[in-house]
Amino acid sequence: GESVGLHLPTLSVQEGDNSIINCAYSNSASDYFIWYKQESGKGPQFIIDIRSNMDKRQGQRVTVLLNKTVKHLSLQIAATQPGDSAVYFCAVNWGGSQGNLIFGKGTKLSVKP
Amino acid sequence: NAGVMQNPRHLVRRRGQEARLRCSPVKGHSHVYWYRQLPEEGLKFMVYLQKENIIDESGMPKERFSAEFPKEGPSILRIQQVVRGDSAAYFCATSRGQENQPQHFGDGTRLSIL
Repeated sequence: GESVGLHLPTLSVQEGDNSIINCAYSNSASDYFIWYKQESGKGPQFIIDIRSNMDKRQGQRVTVLLNKTVKHLSLQIAATQPGDSAVYFCAVNWGGSQGNLIFGKGTKLSVKP
Repeated sequence: NAGVMQNPRHLVRRRGQEARLRCSPVKGHSHVYWYRQLPEEGLKFMVYLQKENIIDESGMPKERFSAEFPKEGPSILRIQQVVRGDSAAYFCATSRGQENQPQHFGDGTRLSIL
């Protein structure tokens, strides 16, 4: 079955530095990928998504990179701020279905002032 | 969180009781997804519904759990005869339903079983 993993469960960065959070997936048929941010006591908040026909997409201070060859995606946060501290999840659709998303276990990002 | 409303936010039940969790979608969203999250873990898919139809329930336990999304009113996740292992956060997400559109989540119901 599909599995989604994260390379590092915790990440600590200095305020103002860039953050990179990585994610690997297993199903080559997956074609839709989302990054979510979850703060304590809240639901996942949509950050950015990317479809398999792209390898890079940029938002405000965030960039998602997709490498289909090695089934890897990353989230880059520029000029990380204390408000970015949260758990970040990648989510992958299952083989093109619009139904369930497979979530990784999450990376906890801590930003040091 | 993008207008998805879940209630109650916290629910305490004793073993053997029933738990009912409600989810009201973002206006215009006709697709509802339920997920379960244990502490320090990612979300696990349970069920995907459209109005009056269950599309995918591959993540639902075979017994005690059911879900519905009636023509009128919120989606309901129902857990009968709750056990301690049902303690978790249950999240609802909704989408417009077109292929590869993001799911928007509510803030969840935290279920505690005494």
